Amino acid sequence: EIVLTQSPGTLSLSPGERATLSCRASQSISSSFLAWYQQKPDQAPRLLIYGASSRATGIPDRFSGSGSGTDFTLTISRLEPEDFAVYYCQQYGSSPRYTFGQGTILEIK
Amino acid sequence: QVQLVESGGGLVKPGGSLRLSCAASGFTFSDYYMSWIRQAPGKGLEWVSYISSSANTIYYADSVKGRFTISRDNAKNSLYLQMSSLRAEDTAVYYCARVIVATRHFDYWGQGTLVTVSS
Repeated sequence: EIVLTQSPGTLSLSPGERATLSCRASQSISSSFLAWYQQKPDQAPRLLIYGASSRATGIPDRFSGSGSGTDFTLTISRLEPEDFAVYYCQQYGSSPRYTFGQGTILEIK
Repeated sequence: QVQLVESGGGLVKPGGSLRLSCAASGFTFSDYYMSWIRQAPGKGLEWVSYISSSANTIYYADSVKGRFTISRDNAKNSLYLQMSSLRAEDTAVYYCARVIVATRHFDYWGQGTLVTVSS
């Protein structure tokens, strides 16, 4: 089973700052099958990034994804107030077909 | 626009059964794989099950295998999750989501339906 470990667990930053969120896989995964989601309280997750680096429709260009192999990163270049939320990475592979990271809470400092 | 609307959640006793539905609109449902994902209160996301567009490929998480059954009715633009032998640890918000086959990500999610398993 591939385990995704996200770090840090909680990230405290101020609007305007740069956020760097990490997702590490327990074994190498295909970049094609790595995605990032944003979830706000009492809302469904929203797709941000797929294929490790492709932005989903309507996602601002301050969000970017990168990485390969076992190490992937979601970067938010300049934080807006609406960006404070929980972020999850997700991979598709062999059994179990899908796994999610445990999430990174991005909170206002 | 793409819409996914779940229904069927509620309170059920341990060992009981429940059937969730997801009504899809705004896209050609029969062209897409679909999935169920759940989230226990205050916890992270857990993938539950996945079904191909023609229902000939189905996968389940080990935690629900043998107890849950995913199905779809393309004529009704609907996705289902039949849950039986429910346990307290099945308590969660259940989301249906559309799958993009090429990259296997979930591009649209419903608002979720809460299932509570408690005596």
